Amino acid sequence: DVKVTQSSRYLVKRTGEKVFLECVQDMDHENMFWYRQDPGLGLRLIYFSYDVKMKEKGDIPEGYSVSREKKERFSLILESASTNQTSMYLCASSLGITTEAFFGQGTRLTVV
Amino acid sequence: AQSVTQPDIHITVSEGASLELRCNYSYGATPYLFWYVQSPGQGLQLLLKYFSGDTLVQGIKGFEAEFKRSQSSFNLRKPSVHWSDAAEYFCAVGAGRGGGADGLTFGKGTHLIIQP
Repeated sequence: DVKVTQSSRYLVKRTGEKVFLECVQDMDHENMFWYRQDPGLGLRLIYFSYDVKMKEKGDIPEGYSVSREKKERFSLILESASTNQTSMYLCASSLGITTEAFFGQGTRLTVV
Repeated sequence: AQSVTQPDIHITVSEGASLELRCNYSYGATPYLFWYVQSPGQGLQLLLKYFSGDTLVQGIKGFEAEFKRSQSSFNLRKPSVHWSDAAEYFCAVGAGRGGGADGLTFGKGTHLIIQP
């Protein structure tokens, strides 16, 4: 089975901190994604990557950056965390555009 | 740009009753369509997907969905629900934005409540 692992299930950070959310997949997938999930808004795409060192902005990239130095790892970075970034963050990977995305368990981030 | 609408925020169904969750999409060409389920505190699990071919697709856990191009719909159905089906359900479209992975566009979800 494909496994997508997010490094933390719960995080509490202070306003202004730099925050790293890590995601690792074990199936050699080309594509990786970061989504944000908020009640009533569903999932919104923050960034995605279709190759090592490649990244593309999604629908809500403001306040975020990403890093993909290795194929299996995709990091989401909050340069200066703010309270409006309190949310559930979901990482996903897929083999190609026509194949389904596999999701990690999510990281619930609280910024205080 | 593609979009997905799930008109029902909450649905309550009695255990053993049939279920239909609605999903409408907006996209100019044939989309790739997915239904995912999310149990509380968990990530998303794929129930089924449609890429081409037979418009009635079968998924896991006894779910099925029908693609209707004329109605731009991809509704999810189950003939008899179980209490364990209580969860959040998301419809998604993967339509491509110009190459590469492009990601999925999700609806806002339907919260399914099962009454005993």
